[in-house]
Amino acid sequence: NAGVTQTPKFRVLKTGQSMTLLCAQDMNHEYMYWYRQDPGMGLRLIHYSVGEGTTAKGEVPDGYNVSRLKKQNFLLGLESAAPSQTSVYFCASSLRPLPEEQYFGPGTRLTVT
Amino acid sequence: AQSVAQPEDQVNVAEGNPLTVKCTYSVSGNPYLFWYVQYPNRGLQFLLKYITGDNLVKGSYGFEAEFNKSQTSFHLKKPSALVSDSALYFCAVRDRESGGYQKVTFGTGTKLQVIP
Repeated sequence: NAGVTQTPKFRVLKTGQSMTLLCAQDMNHEYMYWYRQDPGMGLRLIHYSVGEGTTAKGEVPDGYNVSRLKKQNFLLGLESAAPSQTSVYFCASSLRPLPEEQYFGPGTRLTVT
Repeated sequence: AQSVAQPEDQVNVAEGNPLTVKCTYSVSGNPYLFWYVQYPNRGLQFLLKYITGDNLVKGSYGFEAEFNKSQTSFHLKKPSALVSDSALYFCAVRDRESGGYQKVTFGTGTKLQVIP
């Protein structure tokens, strides 16, 4: 099993550009999550999904959109990137709802100039 | 509301000595508590969690944590530190009363440095 994978690993964007981050898991997990990690702030939940075709807002959803068209994939989109979105983005998945443990991907380091 | 605090940005310990990484939490109800570890350039890995029952929870790689309700703490411990334990450790909390909202609040992390 590859577990949770994320593409790309690194990306540099100019302000106003758009991009999509892809998360894939091969563990048949129902629940998937997108977090951002910033220095001194821990991880913050952006959006999550409780199953194929569903999405829900986390604590910092503004400026991001998500889609879960297939159970194994969870996409995070930035329509118009801003410097404040410079961060490391982690995808996670879990078989069942919290407090089930989450499995994390290796992260995507995004810089917006 | 739920929150978690890790009061130490960094903990240094000599190899072979016991280690403790501190965590305190605040919830309106009762907590679910977690510890995760992050190695450089990697995602977080689950170590252990407290759901209910025994206050001493044993997890991966010889780590354990003690839930103390009166002190609202969930400190991570290991009897004998290894150099390979050097990493960033995150405590996390979820209020049992959160309902369907799938949110865990993470602390800011504590860097553990084990000195050979």
